[in-house]
Amino acid sequence: QKEVEQNSGPLSVPEGAIASLNCTYSDRVSQSFFWYRQYSGKSPELIMSIYSNGDKEDGRFTAQLNKASQYVSLLIRDSQPSDSATYLCAVKDSSYKLIFGSGTRLLVRP
Amino acid sequence: GAGVSQSPSNKVTEKGKDVELRCDPISGHTALYWYRQRLGQGLEFLIYFQGNSAPDKSGLPSDRFSAERTGESVSTLTIQRTQQEDSAVYLCASSWSGTEAMEQFFGPGTRLTVL
Repeated sequence: QKEVEQNSGPLSVPEGAIASLNCTYSDRVSQSFFWYRQYSGKSPELIMSIYSNGDKEDGRFTAQLNKASQYVSLLIRDSQPSDSATYLCAVKDSSYKLIFGSGTRLLVRP
Repeated sequence: GAGVSQSPSNKVTEKGKDVELRCDPISGHTALYWYRQRLGQGLEFLIYFQGNSAPDKSGLPSDRFSAERTGESVSTLTIQRTQQEDSAVYLCASSWSGTEAMEQFFGPGTRLTVL
């Protein structure tokens, strides 16, 4: 059974701080990794994708992938109250299916 | 360009009735996915379409659930004889291809309430 694990949170950080969200996965052949943001009552919104080891930066977001440790993370710099949401980690293997974690709820305190 | 659209946005039905949910993917996307999300829960995979065929229906919870896709475009998810445990948000997503490293983009969802 392929699994994607996330801490459910809530992760609470003050405005302006760095929020660090973590995800581990069980399937070693996983090839593609995604972070989605889901506001309460809304559908998931893709914010980052990463396919190779290392860091990928996009604005205030940095995704980090370590395939040897089967670990992917998302850093949000200069966190804003508008970043408060649930962040879903999703992992795709060589087939079509995305396996989602249950999400980490982030709360950014003003 | 237009994103994934779903209709209706909300559906309230009585137990035992049939419902039909519609998904219109991003133009040109060959892969289409249906998920279910119960309140406070994660995403549950239901079915995957590549073109008009569904190579994986393993996520459908029971034989009351069925889905079809026509013209490599619109898909409908049908739930027959709805039960209260079917209450959830039904999400549709599409991507350029099901097998490449392609991002999935989600529609706004249909919130189904079974009374």
